[in-house]
Amino acid sequence: AQKITQTQPGMFVQEKEAVTLDCTYDTSDQSYGLFWYKQPSSGEMIFLIYQGSYDEQNATEGRYSLNFQKARKSANLVISASQLGDSAMYFCAMREVYGGATNKLIFGTGTLLAVQP
Amino acid sequence: EPEVTQTPSHQVTQMGQEVILRCVPISNHLYFYWYRQILGQKVEFLVSFYNNEISEKSEIFDDQFSVERPDGSNFTLKIRSTKLEDSAMYFCASSDRGISYGYTFGSGTRLTVV
Repeated sequence: AQKITQTQPGMFVQEKEAVTLDCTYDTSDQSYGLFWYKQPSSGEMIFLIYQGSYDEQNATEGRYSLNFQKARKSANLVISASQLGDSAMYFCAMREVYGGATNKLIFGTGTLLAVQP
Repeated sequence: EPEVTQTPSHQVTQMGQEVILRCVPISNHLYFYWYRQILGQKVEFLVSFYNNEISEKSEIFDDQFSVERPDGSNFTLKIRSTKLEDSAMYFCASSDRGISYGYTFGSGTRLTVV
């Protein structure tokens, strides 16, 4: 069964510093996608970045990059130049591809990031 | 940018009452989902809907829950007889046929059962 593990319940980072949020996953499927979502205190889920299992290059979206190490089954999120507005809960999620009927996301338990001035 | 719209944003209901949570997915998306997040916990899959039928449901999605796409645009989640433990944030999401980031969440409905 697929599983997402986020081992850091909480993290602190100084403003303007970079921070890495860890995510490891477990799947027997060869084709899958990995996602990171941000959930601010207001509650909505904001898509940040996506990495496909066959993508050879690490995904980047502005200040967000995904450090994808397939052999280690890890998909860590790197936020560069942290801003106060980055303070939020961050969820790693995975989506397997099989038959196309479901494509549900499986989420980790999240990491609460606090950016300090 | 296309959005998934959920109404209401907050709902308070008495235990035992029926609630209907409403969602308008992105119009050209084919897959529809409901997820639940109990306060402070992770986001849990409830049900997926494709081709006008449930394609998968979790063990949370028992006989008290049902989903419907009544008119080709709305996608609803009904809880027949709410329990205290149904209090949570409920997210609707939709996605296109691809595996990539065509997967959009609504802003959620916070359900409080008293």
